[in-house]
Amino acid sequence: NAGVTQTPKFRILKIGQSMTLQCTQDMNHNYMYWYRQDPGMGLKLIYYSVGAGITDKGEVPNGYNVSRSTTEDFPLRLELAAPSQTSVYFCASSYHSSQQGGSPLHFGNGTRLTVT
Amino acid sequence: GNSVTQMEGPVTLSEEAFLTINCTYTATGYPSLFWYVQYPGEGLQLLLKATKADDKGSNKGFEATYRKETTSFHLEKGSVQVSDSAVYFCALMSNQAGTALIFGKGTTLSVSS
Repeated sequence: NAGVTQTPKFRILKIGQSMTLQCTQDMNHNYMYWYRQDPGMGLKLIYYSVGAGITDKGEVPNGYNVSRSTTEDFPLRLELAAPSQTSVYFCASSYHSSQQGGSPLHFGNGTRLTVT
Repeated sequence: GNSVTQMEGPVTLSEEAFLTINCTYTATGYPSLFWYVQYPGEGLQLLLKATKADDKGSNKGFEATYRKETTSFHLEKGSVQVSDSAVYFCALMSNQAGTALIFGKGTTLSVSS
């Protein structure tokens, strides 16, 4: 049981390049999330998904895209990297039901991205 | 909308000192409340949670009580250790389906021996 796995751990991009941050979970969680963490700013929600085939924008979705074709995977796509996207990105998952409410989030170890 | 406000850091304490990190929230209905901890170079880990008013969450000597009347969920520990040095995040999840967890900005705790 690996939990939430993110790859890569580190990446340096040039302005205008594109890349996909991978995230997979093996806990059969229905909810998955992408957050970015900037110094002194806490975590800001980029996108989230409540189940396969369903995605919703969070607080800061501009410049990003996501897909959720399976329960396990929730990749985050940057199409035209900009210096403002330099950050640490965290993927998380949780189980949520209408009867039980939300369970705690399980986080991956993060991807540190630098755009120069 | 829903929001979480926690005290600014950094908080610097000596070993065995008493810790309080304040957290207040704004939400409709009856949200669940959480404290997460982030150690250097790692992702966030759940520290404790409370799902209804007057619940007390506790773990590893940390405690927090869900106070609906003051919309607060303050984190406390009676005697901190150097190993408690980390960033602490207060978070809220609405009981409405389809909503995501909302975090405060985090409070850095530094404990010296």
